[in-house]
Amino acid sequence: QKEVEQDPGPLSVPEGAIVSLNCTYSNSAFQYFMWYRQYSRKGPELLMYTYSSGNKEDGRFTAQVDKSSKYISLFIRDSQPSDSATYLCAMGEPDGSSNTGKLIFGQGTTLQVKP
Amino acid sequence: KAGVTQTPRYLIKTRGQQVTLSCSPISGHRSVSWYQQTPGQGLQFLFEYFSETQRNKGNFPGRFSGRQFSNSRSEMNVSTLELGDSALYLCASSPSGGALFHRTDTQYFGPGTRLTVL
Repeated sequence: QKEVEQDPGPLSVPEGAIVSLNCTYSNSAFQYFMWYRQYSRKGPELLMYTYSSGNKEDGRFTAQVDKSSKYISLFIRDSQPSDSATYLCAMGEPDGSSNTGKLIFGQGTTLQVKP
Repeated sequence: KAGVTQTPRYLIKTRGQQVTLSCSPISGHRSVSWYQQTPGQGLQFLFEYFSETQRNKGNFPGRFSGRQFSNSRSEMNVSTLELGDSALYLCASSPSGGALFHRTDTQYFGPGTRLTVL
């Protein structure tokens, strides 16, 4: 079983829809949770960052972390065709752990927003 | 501020050869991490360097190695290439190693080097 599981999709939605992307994980030591967006032929770019549990909102994007369930989500409101990309969740352990500096990524979910 | 740069962007090699990839981090960033991205396995951590020292290593064979120079630039080397090494190799930099995952210290990725092994 992988440390981080993410449904690869693809996920296709109409413009304006609310998109929900999810990851589950098994390592309870993870404290830092990130969502990256990756366009075709580009490197991943950081979208959202959350420390420990809770919600974080940035414009049309909301990230949620539920550490008790080992489950994180990314919501995209009013989705646009420009949101079409692969979305990767990533997680890391705290400073000072043996895995400092190491991010574990989900498989990535491919999203297509149709006009 | 210029982003992370990687050279070359594309490479074609044959089995058994070796390859060296280069990464220049964002100015002022001292930590450089390398990842391999394939359709089947996704993004997998290779290793991380900070102040010219390898601080962490993923589960890859010894054919994969790296180093970091005093100016924080980093190179990774793959010897005795195999077909399965075909992948996008991504480099990511962050400002410091002390508090790697604080919001201001997260990793910024370069565009990657696409390696094809024939």
